[in-house]
Amino acid sequence: QQPVQSPQAVILREGEDAVINCSSSKALYSVHWYRQKHGEAPVFLMILLKGGEQKGHDKISASFNEKKQQSSLYLTASQLSYSGTYFCGTETSGYALNFGKGTSLLVTP
Amino acid sequence: DSGVTQTPKHLITATGQRVTLRCSPRSGDLSVYWYQQSLDQGLQFLIQYYNGEERAKGNILERFSAQQFPDLHSELNLSSLELGDSALYFCASSVETGSNSPLHFGNGTRLTVT
Repeated sequence: QQPVQSPQAVILREGEDAVINCSSSKALYSVHWYRQKHGEAPVFLMILLKGGEQKGHDKISASFNEKKQQSSLYLTASQLSYSGTYFCGTETSGYALNFGKGTSLLVTP
Repeated sequence: DSGVTQTPKHLITATGQRVTLRCSPRSGDLSVYWYQQSLDQGLQFLIQYYNGEERAKGNILERFSAQQFPDLHSELNLSSLELGDSALYFCASSVETGSNSPLHFGNGTRLTVT
């Protein structure tokens, strides 16, 4: 089951904040977040496991609400290097990680 | 560099043909995943192997098959190719299967079917 990401695209000025949401219709074991720059492979950002934990990676953090089957990625004080497409990957059962269609983020000077 | 190696980088072939994509996982990783990426569908999970055994199947067509060899490298075979199979195919690897292991992606093989 492919998770649903919103918004589809975001344009920010450097220093602004953004939130990317990921939701599933099924119960989640975990949520992964990856960033893919144009022409490159997706790169791992963080994993969130059951328990509503919040993780951080520099100025990028995320939350996981297992009851709502949702996760959100928070980008604060965005930098030009944050530009790319962000994917959430969800594990519902078994071992497969299914990814959303991605959220395109462009940070402008 | 993720440590995952995919070959070839580009493939151009005609409809009806068969191709093989190859993936060498990061040293120490036992799990290999194959994903197809097209513009409108994002990253679609195809199949996963763990230590030589198939562990999960996604939206993999019957014309496609894969295997993981004893040395842990994996091959994805695509046959009777159609124009719609044109896409970027990624291989990813992880230490183990399950929630706790991040995926490390290779640089992908871009397949163009003409």
